Amino acid sequence: DSGVTQTPKHLITATGQRVTLRCSPRSGDLSVYWYQQSLDQGLQFLIQYYNGEERAKGNILERFSAQQFPDLHSELNLSSLELGDSALYFCASSVASQGRETQYFGPGTRLLVL
Amino acid sequence: ILNVEQSPQSLHVQEGDSTNFTCSFPSSNFYALHWYRWETAKSPEALFVMTLNGDEKKKGRISATLNTKEGYSYLYIKGSQPEDSATYLCAFDVNRDDKIIFGKGTRLHILP
Repeated sequence: DSGVTQTPKHLITATGQRVTLRCSPRSGDLSVYWYQQSLDQGLQFLIQYYNGEERAKGNILERFSAQQFPDLHSELNLSSLELGDSALYFCASSVASQGRETQYFGPGTRLLVL
Repeated sequence: ILNVEQSPQSLHVQEGDSTNFTCSFPSSNFYALHWYRWETAKSPEALFVMTLNGDEKKKGRISATLNTKEGYSYLYIKGSQPEDSATYLCAFDVNRDDKIIFGKGTRLHILP
């Protein structure tokens, strides 16, 4: 158990809908990272937040947005969902903002868009 | 386009044998290299974060080396055990824009 929690574990929804994925970092960690794992692709970095502020942006679509709240939990919002958004979404947390710290991954949320 | 390559894609190793595999990354804009172990139906687990050219890190039977000038890192497993069966991922941290780029992993199968 990494100490990072993600909810829900599984999510099934329809095209065009909007969903919110939630992540709580390990106690004491200020950075949260979001990743997407699709069937034929490797792990893709989406976005990083540090202490409430956006820190780095990867291959995140405009239909997706994220935020980190004062209690440091983070939410990833996916809207106008398409079939291709079906994937495993991980969040990870680390102590600080620099990329040189160990990242601890949560168990993931499996999203299925029908 | 920055690319991280891992080879081989898949590897079968007899229990007790030692093995190694490679992660190749762009030698410019290096910030850090991460190695992860990812078992099926679980989430990636951090093994090492490597930052300096010539770095060598060790955790039990697993060790890694880093060459930032030529853009590669090796992961070594000594005396493979069944519990080593997993996908091993490397991730390259890009200095100029803080992006993180993952390789597609090396899938290791340990044969009893």
